[in-house]
Amino acid sequence: DAGVTQSPTHLIKTRGQQVTLRCSPKSGHDTVSWYQQALGQGPQFIFQYYEEEERQRGNFPDRFSGHQFPNYSSELNVNALLLGDSALYLCASSYHRGANQPQHFGDGTRLSIL
Amino acid sequence: AQKVTQAQTEISVVEKEDVTLDCVYETRDTTYYLFWYKQPPSGELVFLIRRNSFDEQNEISGRYSWNFQKSTSSFNFTITASQVVDSAVYFCALSESTGNQFYFGTGTSLTVIP
Repeated sequence: DAGVTQSPTHLIKTRGQQVTLRCSPKSGHDTVSWYQQALGQGPQFIFQYYEEEERQRGNFPDRFSGHQFPNYSSELNVNALLLGDSALYLCASSYHRGANQPQHFGDGTRLSIL
Repeated sequence: AQKVTQAQTEISVVEKEDVTLDCVYETRDTTYYLFWYKQPPSGELVFLIRRNSFDEQNEISGRYSWNFQKSTSSFNFTITASQVVDSAVYFCALSESTGNQFYFGTGTSLTVIP
């Protein structure tokens, strides 16, 4: 039973570039959430996707956008990268039914901005 | 607004000692859920325990136990007979009634010394 998988593992970009991160949810899950974790901090909620729509969004600018595909996988896109976007980006999946089911996390993508 | 505070930044214990990790939360919701996650150096957040706001029964699961007290808005987590493999960063998280967004604390780094 595959867990949450994310790609790539590491990524290096320069300021102003655009990046796309990918996530495949755990088998049986249909909801995907994205988090940004800066060094030494807790994860910060970016947004959540269900039924291919953004269901809720955290306090992140429009430079952060996402998409969910019919197979429930998801992408996180960040435009006009800033140095402050350097962080570990975590994807979490869950099943929409059952309030507050624990979210299952992937290993993350470590994004470095030069 | 929801907020989770983990006042302990770093804790070191000798193997086989018991250790308690503190968590204090703020929320205006009457229904909410509390979680503890473990993050080893690999980066993946591993779900440990969940507690809902209307069940203050404290439980023990193996070497893990937790103490949930609504009167003090605390959700403390105890590891008994600590082991070197318990070394990780531990995060307390709060989820609102809709369950869409998790609010994480800043984490407590636990080091178990052999």
